[in-house]
Amino acid sequence: EVQLVESGGGLVQPGRSLKLSCAASGFTFSSFPMAWVRQAPKKGLEWVASISSGGGGTYYPDSVKGRFTISRDNAKSTLYLQMDSLRSEDTASYYCARRTGRAYYFDYWGQGVMVTVSS
Amino acid sequence: DVQMTQSPSYLAASPGESVFISCKASKSISNYLAWYQQKPGEANKLLIYSGSTLQSGTPSRFSGSGSGTDFTLTIRNLEPEDFAVYYCQQYYEKPLTFGSGTKLEIK
Repeated sequence: EVQLVESGGGLVQPGRSLKLSCAASGFTFSSFPMAWVRQAPKKGLEWVASISSGGGGTYYPDSVKGRFTISRDNAKSTLYLQMDSLRSEDTASYYCARRTGRAYYFDYWGQGVMVTVSS
Repeated sequence: DVQMTQSPSYLAASPGESVFISCKASKSISNYLAWYQQKPGEANKLLIYSGSTLQSGTPSRFSGSGSGTDFTLTIRNLEPEDFAVYYCQQYYEKPLTFGSGTKLEIK
């Protein structure tokens, strides 16, 4: 059974940093590209980062480019999201998602972790 | 960026009925469209990809149609477990973008 379990969320002040983790199990992690998607309270879904299966390719929307860094450790089957220079508008639930090998949609999701940016 | 406009944002229906959810793209995205179901306390679930292909495990009462800019998610013979929020997502180009969601509630 595919499982994605996020951790590392919490309350952080504006301008500070936070690093999220996503522990994957039930599949060959190193074979799949992965992504982070977020959802602000009572809002819709927003893609924030993607990474190729080997980690050599990373992609971001303009809203987080230069502030967020996605990475992975295939030996540990773990996905990361380093978030720097956090803003109040980054407050959201952050979901880890497995991208299909073929295209940019997501066939498995974690249950999410909440990040609150507030002073 | 490709804007995805979903409608309606809210829909009330009874078990056994059929519902239709629309998703319109601001430019042609061919059939690069996925549909997801979101329920509180559960992981989001992929229902349909490539506009009309059911993901393994998706019940046959779900169907997707459309191409280009106009897409529809149809749910026939609603079951109690279908009441949830539904999102469309385009993957024609980056940035990947989602619709604003449709909340399906029991009437």
